[in-house]
Amino acid sequence: DGGITQSPKYLFRKEGQNVTLSCEQNLNHDAMYWYRQDPGQGLRLIYYSQIVNDFQKGDIAEGYSVSREKKESFPLTVTSAQKNPTAFYLCASSKERDSYNEQFFGPGTRLTVL
Amino acid sequence: AQSVTQLDSHVSVSEGTPVLLRCNYSSSYSPSLFWYVQHPNKGLQLLLKYTSAATLVKGINGFEAEFKKSETSFHLTKPSAHMSDAAEYFCVVSDLRTGGFKTIFGAGTRLFVKA
Repeated sequence: DGGITQSPKYLFRKEGQNVTLSCEQNLNHDAMYWYRQDPGQGLRLIYYSQIVNDFQKGDIAEGYSVSREKKESFPLTVTSAQKNPTAFYLCASSKERDSYNEQFFGPGTRLTVL
Repeated sequence: AQSVTQLDSHVSVSEGTPVLLRCNYSSSYSPSLFWYVQHPNKGLQLLLKYTSAATLVKGINGFEAEFKKSETSFHLTKPSAHMSDAAEYFCVVSDLRTGGFKTIFGAGTRLFVKA
């Protein structure tokens, strides 16, 4: 089955700790994205990557970091510098040469800071 | 400038009655438009997409949307609501610019379906 997996589904973090959220895809997509979703708001782009070993900041990158060492994987680290990290995090991917950028989404990770 | 406005944050309908979720957009380019559905604590699932072919687009689960350029709208409709349609719906606009795509999500419309 082709798709996107995210783990863990739920994650709890103490203040001051860094945590890493996993995102893996087997769709052979070039582009991958991380979004943050807060109640009553749409999705906001944190980081995106159009190709391996390259990534760009989105609209709310402060306090987050990413890597793209493999085409299939795009992990997101939520650092202690992120002031309000409690949110639902969604990973997505799309074909780089897709003429309209249809994005496919993973099931999400809910992060709670204790 | 690019923007997406979902005109209703909440919509409530009775089972078996029509559904209308409204979306207006703004884009300086020729955009692609999408509707996604999200059930609680789940990822987003594509319902349908407009990509400059037919202006009336049919999607999954009986949903459809009509692209109206003169009104800059892309409203989502369904003739008869089902209880399983209760979810959050996102209108999305994406356009291709120098350097890649720019994609913006609407704030979402929560659909309630009453028995």
